[in-house]
Amino acid sequence: NAGVTQTPKFRILKIGQSMTLQCTQDMNHNYMYWYRQDPGMGLKLIYYSVGAGITDKGEVPNGYNVSRSTTEDFPLRLELAAPSQTSVYFCASTSGGVYNEQFFGPGTRLTVL
Amino acid sequence: GEDVEQSLFLSVREGDSSVINCTYTDSSSTYLYWYKQEPGAGLQLLTYIFSNMDMKQDQRLTVLLNKKDKHLSLRIADTQTGDSAIYFCAESGRTGRRALTFGSGTRLQVQP
Repeated sequence: NAGVTQTPKFRILKIGQSMTLQCTQDMNHNYMYWYRQDPGMGLKLIYYSVGAGITDKGEVPNGYNVSRSTTEDFPLRLELAAPSQTSVYFCASTSGGVYNEQFFGPGTRLTVL
Repeated sequence: GEDVEQSLFLSVREGDSSVINCTYTDSSSTYLYWYKQEPGAGLQLLTYIFSNMDMKQDQRLTVLLNKKDKHLSLRIADTQTGDSAIYFCAESGRTGRRALTFGSGTRLQVQP
């Protein structure tokens, strides 16, 4: 199993540009998440999904959109990039089982200039 | 609301024990976790503890939970240079979304 994979690893965007961060998991997990990690801070929840076709906002959803058309994929869309979106983005998934272990991807480091 | 707090930095000598502390506010937390993040990598689950337990031991790791004070600690025995990383405390509430609330992380530096 590859686990949770994310692409790209690094990206530099100009203000106002758009991009999609890709996330795929091969563990057949229903629950998937996008977090952002700002320097010296913990992870903040952007969006989450409890299954294909079902998504909802987390704590910091402004400026982002998501979709979940399949169990495996959970892309995160930035429509109009702003410097405040400079961060490291992590995708995670879990089966939601007994102790709810979340599996994380390696992260995407995004810089908006 | 949910909040998880940790101290930012800890430095120890190789071979010593490390103790990383965490406080949380959500009394409905079912599980509490310790994740490890090495430079440039994602988070990896180290260990977890169920909210009705006081202690859990797993090889060099000991987790202590004081529910009354909402205090969680991670003790690493015989700390090695390979233990240098950022350690995140996280809690999982009872909400259906199963998302975690993370502390800001404690950077552990192990001096040879």
